[in-house]
Amino acid sequence: AQSVTQLGSHVSVSEGALVLLRCNYSSSVPPYLFWYVQYPNQGLQLLLKYLSGSTLVKGINGFEAEFKKSETSFHLTKPSAHMSDAAEYFCAVSEKTSYDKVIFGPGTSLSVIP
Amino acid sequence: NAGVMQNPRHLVRRRGQEARLRCSPMKGHSHVYWYRQLPEEGLKFMVYLQKENIIDESGMPKERFSAEFPKEGPSILRIQQVVRGDSAAYFCASSRASGGSYNEQFFGPGTRLTVL
Repeated sequence: AQSVTQLGSHVSVSEGALVLLRCNYSSSVPPYLFWYVQYPNQGLQLLLKYLSGSTLVKGINGFEAEFKKSETSFHLTKPSAHMSDAAEYFCAVSEKTSYDKVIFGPGTSLSVIP
Repeated sequence: NAGVMQNPRHLVRRRGQEARLRCSPMKGHSHVYWYRQLPEEGLKFMVYLQKENIIDESGMPKERFSAEFPKEGPSILRIQQVVRGDSAAYFCASSRASGGSYNEQFFGPGTRLTVL
């Protein structure tokens, strides 16, 4: 069965500092991996996804993530945090069965300190 | 091209009443997924539907919850005799036909249900 863990339910960084949000997954087959962002009282927006190919994936708003199979990780990074990055971030995994069932992690709330 | 639409955005019900949540998928999408987000938690899969068919309802509570996606009109998530524990944000997502290559799920803005 697939599962996703996110280390740290709350992360605070200073504006301009590196953002690192951790995600580890378990999957019995090569997974599809995703990061979503949720702003307060809004729906989910896809930041980036890994389906195959290059293990370093670039997304919107300057975010990127690296798929490391040996570590079963898909950590999200951004070199310099901006105040507008404050939001809830969800890592997710999908396994191609009869359809693309997405399993979400519990989320990490990112605060950016001015 | 309009995205996934959900209504109402906010719904308040008293215990014992019924809640009906609607989801209109993106144009060209025939697959609908419902997720529930409890306070301080991630999204949990509830049900996956195609037109007139429930494909996977493994995440649906056994009682009081039902979902449909008729040939015409939006998908409906129905909660009968709501209880306070049903208070949550309910998100709908849609995708093109599944199978073959990956088909991205696009999420709606959610319906926030409050049970008094």
